Amino acid sequence: KNQVEQSPQSLIILEGKNCTLQCNYTVSPFSNLRWYKQDTGRGPVSLTIMTFSENTKSNGRYTATLDADTKQSSLHITASQLSDSASYICVVSDSNYQLIWGAGTKLIIKP
Amino acid sequence: DGGITQSPKYLFRKEGQNVTLSCEQNLNHDAMYWYRQDPGQGLRLIYYSQIVNDFQKGDIAEGYSVSREKKESFPLTVTSAQKNPTAFYLCASSRAKNYGYTFGSGTRLTVV
Repeated sequence: KNQVEQSPQSLIILEGKNCTLQCNYTVSPFSNLRWYKQDTGRGPVSLTIMTFSENTKSNGRYTATLDADTKQSSLHITASQLSDSASYICVVSDSNYQLIWGAGTKLIIKP
Repeated sequence: DGGITQSPKYLFRKEGQNVTLSCEQNLNHDAMYWYRQDPGQGLRLIYYSQIVNDFQKGDIAEGYSVSREKKESFPLTVTSAQKNPTAFYLCASSRAKNYGYTFGSGTRLTVV
């Protein structure tokens, strides 16, 4: 069964610190992996889209990695800011472009 | 500015009522989608449309209906047959099925 598992479920860190969120998937065949940021009560906003051949992709202070062999991805946030408080969702697309959504990691940045 | 607009932001439904959620986009996207989001779960696909006057059921279509009479509009009706409609509903659009999605701000539906 195609699944996307994210960890941790929630995370609290101090402003200015770094953090890494994890995404493991069992989707096959794989097309691409996406990370979204969702503020409370808002729609998700795309951070990155990674294909099979991409190992690392950055978007400002956000860096996503992909290991297609182990079927793992991570999202690293550098020098966190209060505005980074949100849910971060990992989504994997199969070759038919069906999206399988993770449940998200809720990140809270404390001053 | 191009974007996707959902309305209303909050909606209250009485038992046995049908309600319609609006979704409009001016991005000239062909594909549009409706998702349901419940706490602690990933987004679940209700319906999607690749082209005007055509749409397909997603994973949880029972109790919902849609129409796609115009490229810009993809309204979702939550019927009385949907027994647990309280949720956050998200509309999205994309240029095509394998492109990135643009989401609206969502509609929170509550049964009273």
